[in-house]
Amino acid sequence: EAGVVQSPRYKIIEKKQPVAFWCNPISGHNTLYWYRQNLGQGPELLIRYENEEAVDDSQLPKDRFSAERLKGVDSTLKIQPAELGDSAVYLCASSLEQGGNYNEQFFGPGTRLTVL
Amino acid sequence: RKEVEQDPGPFNVPEGATVAFNCTYSNSASQSFFWYRQDCRKEPKLLMSVYSSGNEDGRFTAQLNRASQYISLLIRDSKLSDSATYLCVVNRDDKIIFGKGTRLHILP
Repeated sequence: EAGVVQSPRYKIIEKKQPVAFWCNPISGHNTLYWYRQNLGQGPELLIRYENEEAVDDSQLPKDRFSAERLKGVDSTLKIQPAELGDSAVYLCASSLEQGGNYNEQFFGPGTRLTVL
Repeated sequence: RKEVEQDPGPFNVPEGATVAFNCTYSNSASQSFFWYRQDCRKEPKLLMSVYSSGNEDGRFTAQLNRASQYISLLIRDSKLSDSATYLCVVNRDDKIIFGKGTRLHILP
């Protein structure tokens, strides 16, 4: 069974440019997460979707970040415009949530973003 | 104070030794707890859930102390392949919070 797929794996852009990341979760997983991980830190949740609904976007910097999960399957995360401090690894994860219980999250390989 | 705190390490431990590290959480309403493992430049992967009664999986033992608000991970007979960062994860009110991780280096 395929795992969580993310693309691109690496992205280098200049500041003020836009950038977009794509994630395809494990088939059948209803919950999708976007995290940002800085070097030496743990993943920080940006947004969580249950099906197509964003149920927690409290940590998403909404002035420049946006996300969507059309049809409740794959998802895109966009930054516009990017800033130097956005350099990080952006991780997508998915899980099958049932009855409000937390279940194992499966992570994709991440997109390593460098903003110059 | 951060909601989930871990000693960042690194813990440098000789192969075959036993090593343990803790993770403290500040919110007593936290409901479930997990240890994830992250290899260098890889994605995190679930190592084990932490149950109230404590649980063991081979060389790994996880425990929860609700009174003192911490969870622990014990690794016995450590292997070189155990070298990684161990992330503590706490679930509270549908919020999932990762610690910064503890780096472990197993020395040959």
